[in-house]
Amino acid sequence: NAGVTQTPKFQVLKTGQSMTLQCAQDMNHNSMYWYRQDPGMGLRLIYYSASEGTTDKGEVPNGYNVSRLNKREFSLRLESAAPSQTSVYFCASSEYDLGRNYGYTFGSGTRLTVV
Amino acid sequence: DQQVKQNSPSLSVQEGRISILNCDYTNSMFDYFLWYKKYPAEGPTFLISISSIKDKNEDGRFTVFLNKSAKHLSLHIVPSQPGDSAVYFCAASGTGSARQLTFGSGTQLTVLP
Repeated sequence: NAGVTQTPKFQVLKTGQSMTLQCAQDMNHNSMYWYRQDPGMGLRLIYYSASEGTTDKGEVPNGYNVSRLNKREFSLRLESAAPSQTSVYFCASSEYDLGRNYGYTFGSGTRLTVV
Repeated sequence: DQQVKQNSPSLSVQEGRISILNCDYTNSMFDYFLWYKKYPAEGPTFLISISSIKDKNEDGRFTVFLNKSAKHLSLHIVPSQPGDSAVYFCAASGTGSARQLTFGSGTQLTVLP
């Protein structure tokens, strides 16, 4: 079972460059999420998609855009990367837009460095 | 302002002893709490959860306790094993604007053989 697949696993960007982080899930989940993990800060929600066709801002959305391409795929785009966006990014999915019972299933992460 | 706080960045415990990881929350809308475990270079994985209608939930070596009046929960691991060494995240969710998971900053548990 693949679960949640994120690509790429590692990326180095120069300040001002753009890139898209890809995420796909094969569990037929309705809701998908993008988090970033920084030392001492835990995981912070960037954007989420409660269902196909909807997206909403989370706690730290500035500098990011998202696209829910279909039920399986949810991408995160950095239009003009900044050093403050150096982080580990996690995509997650859940059956419903609630953390009940089974919580979220996470991908293995993308480590992004902006120089 | 962190709504879910894990005040101990690290904890070391001898193999076979009890590990106790603590978590505090401030948002009264939270009514469901989870613990996640994370190994290096992997995503967090769900460990155990508890609803606010309960004060204890047990799953094998793992028990979560909830004290609603104190807005405090703890994870007990008994007995601790070296394979339990990982970062443990506390998370909370509620209804309405609080329905997405909010995570604490994590506690690095090291179980010494």
